[in-house]
Amino acid sequence: GAVVSQHPSWVICKSGTSVKIECRSLDFQATTMFWYRQFPKQSLMLMATSNEGSKATYEQGVEKDKFLINHASLTLSTLTVTSAHPEDSSFYICSASGTAITYEQYFGPGTRLTVT
Amino acid sequence: AQKVTQAQTEISVVEKEDVTLDCVYETRDTTYYLFWYKQPPSGELVFLIRRNSFDEQNEISGRYSWNFQKSTSSFNFTITASQVVDSAVYFCALTTSNYKLTFGKGTLLTVNP
Repeated sequence: GAVVSQHPSWVICKSGTSVKIECRSLDFQATTMFWYRQFPKQSLMLMATSNEGSKATYEQGVEKDKFLINHASLTLSTLTVTSAHPEDSSFYICSASGTAITYEQYFGPGTRLTVT
Repeated sequence: AQKVTQAQTEISVVEKEDVTLDCVYETRDTTYYLFWYKQPPSGELVFLIRRNSFDEQNEISGRYSWNFQKSTSSFNFTITASQVVDSAVYFCALTTSNYKLTFGKGTLLTVNP
């Protein structure tokens, strides 16, 4: 149980375009979802926390107009990178926590974004 | 504020050696959870263990063992008789009442045959 999927697993886009990444909890209801970014050879950095039906809370330094997060249902959250630039190239990982054990996060497999 | 320090950036061992990965944490909360994750080259995080602040018992799972010491705010991870498949980046992480996970910088473990 507690499986989280991400789609796509990798994506290449051109500078200036937008790209959407989906994060789904497959077998549980995710009241909270988290989005992380990981640059090569670095740690995971939390970008934002989203609760179903409400606006995401962004970490300091993360541009909310650039990284649009939507958590419209208990099983789906999306991250849209708008007007992507090469410096947005990174590994994006989502995680989800359920209603029963809120301190436990289940991680998706990640999405590798390359902006050319 | 919460912080996790993994002082070892990279460790290289020869197969069958034992290796310990260090993790030191900081938090003002009395209730917190500590985690270890493995990240192989594929990138997907693999959950290894969770420990809450009220349970200081050490844990052993096969070749893996964890030593949690609140007195020194440490949660160290030992791999016994390391294998090539253990090569990965290992992250220690901490969550408290805000449910946000704070990760250490990770330790790259290379096990050479």
